[in-house]
Amino acid sequence: DAGVIQSPRHEVTEMGQEVTLRCKPISGHNSLFWYRQTMMRGLELLIYFNNNVPIDDSGMPEDRFSAKMPNASFSTLKIQPSEPRDSAVYFCASSSLGREVQPQHFGDGTRLSIL
Amino acid sequence: AQKITQTQPGMFVQEKEAVTLDCTYDTSDPSYGLFWYKQPSSGEMIFLIYQGSYDQQNATEGRYSLNFQKARKSANLVISASQLGDSAMYFCAMREGRGSNYKLTFGKGTLLTVNP
Repeated sequence: DAGVIQSPRHEVTEMGQEVTLRCKPISGHNSLFWYRQTMMRGLELLIYFNNNVPIDDSGMPEDRFSAKMPNASFSTLKIQPSEPRDSAVYFCASSSLGREVQPQHFGDGTRLSIL
Repeated sequence: AQKITQTQPGMFVQEKEAVTLDCTYDTSDPSYGLFWYKQPSSGEMIFLIYQGSYDQQNATEGRYSLNFQKARKSANLVISASQLGDSAMYFCAMREGRGSNYKLTFGKGTLLTVNP
């Protein structure tokens, strides 16, 4: 059974460039989460979707960040324009909604470096 | 105030011994869940164990068990018979509420080192 798939694994780009991170959740999962991990702030939830609908984007740092989920099997997190302080590891996680609480399963992350 | 507190930035344990990683939480919601995740140096986040606030018994998964003390608001992870591969960062996380509101709040983590 394939896990959460994120791409790219690593991204290095210059400030001001647009960055797009991609995520394919586990098939059958209907909740998707984007997290950011830094040494200073730890693991922070940026946004999450239920059934492709954004539920809570209060963690999105600023308007430069946007996330979409056009269908149940794909989501993107976009940063435009990127800044050096956006450097972090970005994780996507998915889970299934139901009566019983299900754990979130994480992808391997995208290590983003903005120069 | 922090919702999840992990007071041990780093822990050391000898191989084959047991180790307890501390986690305390703060919530006024009667319905919540507590999770533990492992993050090895390779970076992936691996789900280990879950405890619901209404669960009567402590959760166990293989060598992992959760020492859940509701009155003290603590959910410590116990790893028995430590192995070298257990060396990693361990995160405690909490989900509050029911239904479709499924946000997790993570602690800062504890770095566990297993010595041979």
